[in-house]
Amino acid sequence: DARVTQTPRHKVTEMGQEVTMRCQPILGHNTVFWYRQTMMQGLELLAYFRNRAPLDDSGMPKDRFSAEMPDATLATLKIQPSEPRDSAVYFCASGDRGRTPEQFFGPGTRLTVL
Amino acid sequence: KNEVEQSPQNLTAQEGEFITINCSYSVGISALHWLQQHPGGGIVSLFMLSSGKKKHGRLIATINIQEKHSSLHITASHPRDSAVYICAPIQGAQKLVFGQGTRLTINP
Repeated sequence: DARVTQTPRHKVTEMGQEVTMRCQPILGHNTVFWYRQTMMQGLELLAYFRNRAPLDDSGMPKDRFSAEMPDATLATLKIQPSEPRDSAVYFCASGDRGRTPEQFFGPGTRLTVL
Repeated sequence: KNEVEQSPQNLTAQEGEFITINCSYSVGISALHWLQQHPGGGIVSLFMLSSGKKKHGRLIATINIQEKHSSLHITASHPRDSAVYICAPIQGAQKLVFGQGTRLTINP
């Protein structure tokens, strides 16, 4: 049962702390996306990678956010320092660009910054 | 103006009714996702389509690329269909843009 996994599922932290969210894409998928969902903005793309290389991170606040793919089975999204306005649900999705533009979403990480 | 407009934003109906959610977009796309999100839940892709019509059970999605319009239909709606439905056109190779979502409530 191939699926995208994300950890942690929930995270509560204090303002100023570092937050790291992890995503394991579906094995064999070559594209990974990070999305953020808030009540006000809805879903928005933060960054995406193809074959582990960043292709577009224009949606990401560069001063505090960073996204990496240390290897093909792990993508990370880091916020340092975190702020209350970062509170949101962060979704990871993966896809196989060579076969189809379809994306498969993970369950999300619900982040609350106090 | 948003690149993707969905209507209605909220829809309440009785069980058994036929439901239609519309999506209009202004960007050039290669295909389009219809996504479903239950309260507090994850996001599931219901359909990805680039032309014509697709059907899964009681769900039907249509797209007209020339008119930049897609619709999602639910026949014989059921309370378990209550969710937010999001239209997400695919720009370029895989980049999604998102509608604001349609909150559907089906009452028994």
